[in-house]
Amino acid sequence: DTAVSQTPKYLVTQMGNDKSIKCEQNLGHDTMYWYKQDSKKFLKIMFSYNNKELIINETVPNRFSPKSPDKAHLNLHINSLELGDSAVYFCASSQQTRGLGIQYFGAGTRLSVL
Amino acid sequence: SQQGEEDPQALSIQEGENATMNCSYKTSINNLQWYRQNSGRGLVHLILIRSNEREKHSGRLRVTLDTSKKSSSLLITASRAADTASYFCAPGGGGNKLTFGTGTQLKVEL
Repeated sequence: DTAVSQTPKYLVTQMGNDKSIKCEQNLGHDTMYWYKQDSKKFLKIMFSYNNKELIINETVPNRFSPKSPDKAHLNLHINSLELGDSAVYFCASSQQTRGLGIQYFGAGTRLSVL
Repeated sequence: SQQGEEDPQALSIQEGENATMNCSYKTSINNLQWYRQNSGRGLVHLILIRSNEREKHSGRLRVTLDTSKKSSSLLITASRAADTASYFCAPGGGGNKLTFGTGTQLKVEL
C-alpha cells in the first residue's frame, strides 16, 4: 500500500486550462502539504492543512486553490494555467500533534504547460 | 521557519568512498532532518537529529549537529551506486513547516 499517493503522475495541458491534482494519505497523519519543485530542484512549500484547516499559505497566486475534504485528502486545483506553472508538485503528510513532524512524500506530479 | 543551505551543490565520488555533505542554517532549531530524493521520486526521510544531540548514526549514515556553528553534516560511508540521489536538509524550528533548499546532488560512480 502506498502511504502518500497522488494522481496523476504526469499532466500535460495547454495554457489557460484548469486542472486538479489529487492526494491521499493512509498513514493517519493530521497534516498535509503541497510543495512545488522547480527545474533547479528548489523545493518550495505552497500550502499546509492540519485537520482540514489551512495553516500555511505561502505567497502563491490565487489561481492555486487547495481543498481538504477530510484529513486524509488534500487536492490542488489550478486555474488558468501559465507556462511558469510547469514543475513537479509534491504532496506530503506528517503527524504534528505528538509527532516528530517527519514528512512522507508522494511520488510527485510532473505538470507541463504548453 | 528557515531554509537550510546544502554544500556542495554537487558531489561526484567513486563507489566505496565516503561522501560528506554539509548544511548551514541561520536561526535556532528544535531538530534537523535529512532527506534523500532519487531521480523522479519524492523525498524520503533519512534521519532526524534533535538540537540537544551532537551525533547520530543510522546504518551507513552519520549525522552531526553543531548548534553553535548552526551547521550539520551528513556522512555516507562506503558509498554505493544506489546512493546516487539529491540530499536535502531541513532545519525544524518547532512548527510544522520545513523549508528545503536545492540540495546536494550526489553521484556515485562505479
